[in-house]
Amino acid sequence: TAGITQAPTSQILAAGRSMTLRCTQDMRHNAMYWYRQDLGLGLRLIHYSNTAGTTGKGEVPDGYSVSRANTDDFPLTLASAVPSQTSVYFCASSDLPGSEAFFGQGTRLTVV
Amino acid sequence: TQLLEQSPQFLSIQEGENLTVYCNSSSVFSSLQWYRQEPGEGPVLLVTVVTGGEVKKLKRLTFQFGDARKDSSLHITAAQPGDTGLYLCALGRYSGGGADGLTFGKGTHLIIQP
Repeated sequence: TAGITQAPTSQILAAGRSMTLRCTQDMRHNAMYWYRQDLGLGLRLIHYSNTAGTTGKGEVPDGYSVSRANTDDFPLTLASAVPSQTSVYFCASSDLPGSEAFFGQGTRLTVV
Repeated sequence: TQLLEQSPQFLSIQEGENLTVYCNSSSVFSSLQWYRQEPGEGPVLLVTVVTGGEVKKLKRLTFQFGDARKDSSLHITAAQPGDTGLYLCALGRYSGGGADGLTFGKGTHLIIQP
């Protein structure tokens, strides 16, 4: 059972470059989320989408953008990466907003 | 934004010991979720508690929701090395447009020494 698939699993990115983190779910969940996890700061919500075609800003949205063209895919784009965006990024989904979330295995991003 | 405080931040104990970790908020919450995260993996849901005073058991793990619905605890009996991980509590985020994800506590890092 795939659940949530994230790609790539890890990446080293030069500052100033752009990058898209991919996320696909096969559970037909309505809501999808992007979190970043940093030591000492925990999991913080970047952007969310409660249903296909809609997106919203979470706690730390600056420097990131998302789109939700269909139910299954929710890519996260860094337009011009900065070192402070070095983090582990998790994509998640839930059947209903705020209900049990299912997480991918994460993307470890290092911006140098 | 409703904040969740988890304690202790770190805990290292010997196999076979019992332990309790806590999740507290200054505000009342309608329900609370507990997750466990292992290194290199995403969090996985353990349980959702909904009713004040509720107690749920999952093998050696006992989850309790405070009567006032502002706190929750996780008690592990006879801890085993396989219990090692980051334990997170979470609740639904709500903005003017309704629910928009989960807010997580910073977690308790638990290490069970063989």
